[in-house]
Amino acid sequence: DGGITQSPKYLFRKEGQNVTLSCEQNLNHDAMYWYRQDPGQGLRLIYYSQIVNDFQKGDIAEGYSVSREKKESFPLTVTSAQKNPTAFYLCASSHDRDQPQHFGDGTRLSIL
Amino acid sequence: GESVGLHLPTLSVQEGDNSIINCAYSNSASDYFIWYKQESGKGPQFIIDIRSNMDKRQGQRVTVLLNKTVKHLSLQIAATQPGDSAVYFCAENRAAGNKLTFGGGTRVLVKP
Repeated sequence: DGGITQSPKYLFRKEGQNVTLSCEQNLNHDAMYWYRQDPGQGLRLIYYSQIVNDFQKGDIAEGYSVSREKKESFPLTVTSAQKNPTAFYLCASSHDRDQPQHFGDGTRLSIL
Repeated sequence: GESVGLHLPTLSVQEGDNSIINCAYSNSASDYFIWYKQESGKGPQFIIDIRSNMDKRQGQRVTVLLNKTVKHLSLQIAATQPGDSAVYFCAENRAAGNKLTFGGGTRVLVKP
């Protein structure tokens, strides 16, 4: 089945550690996105990529990094510079503008 | 600032009744709007979308209404069922790029 796969479902980070969240899609979508969701709140855009080898900062990019080496993959690294990383992270993809973004089932990141 | 917001944070509805979820947006340049449903621990699920050249769009048991004059969006769910219990988000896509701005969400609780 076509879809977006995020892994792991749960992730724990130690102080000073970088962690990488995986996002893979087999929908042949050009655009991919990373959002952060805090409890009881909406989604905030971290980074997005409209095409392979290109990405742009979203509204809350500080403390995060991404790469887009393959169309299917858009990993997000939460660096030690992100002082409040505990959140639910959602990856999405879309075919192009004016098409709905489709979401994975998220990764919940917590601090040890 | 520019934002998408919701009037009601929680909506309780009797099973079988109709639900109406409201959303206000402030960016008159937005031309594409989406409603998502998010169940606990999962990613948002696409429900229905509407473009700014339309006032109304219907899906299966759902209707989205767009009033551009007052910058208001609503989602109507007919014959609400227990499975409709979730948090509902509206999102707007501004004229430039393919970035979605999400509202804060409305929780719908269906009472048996």
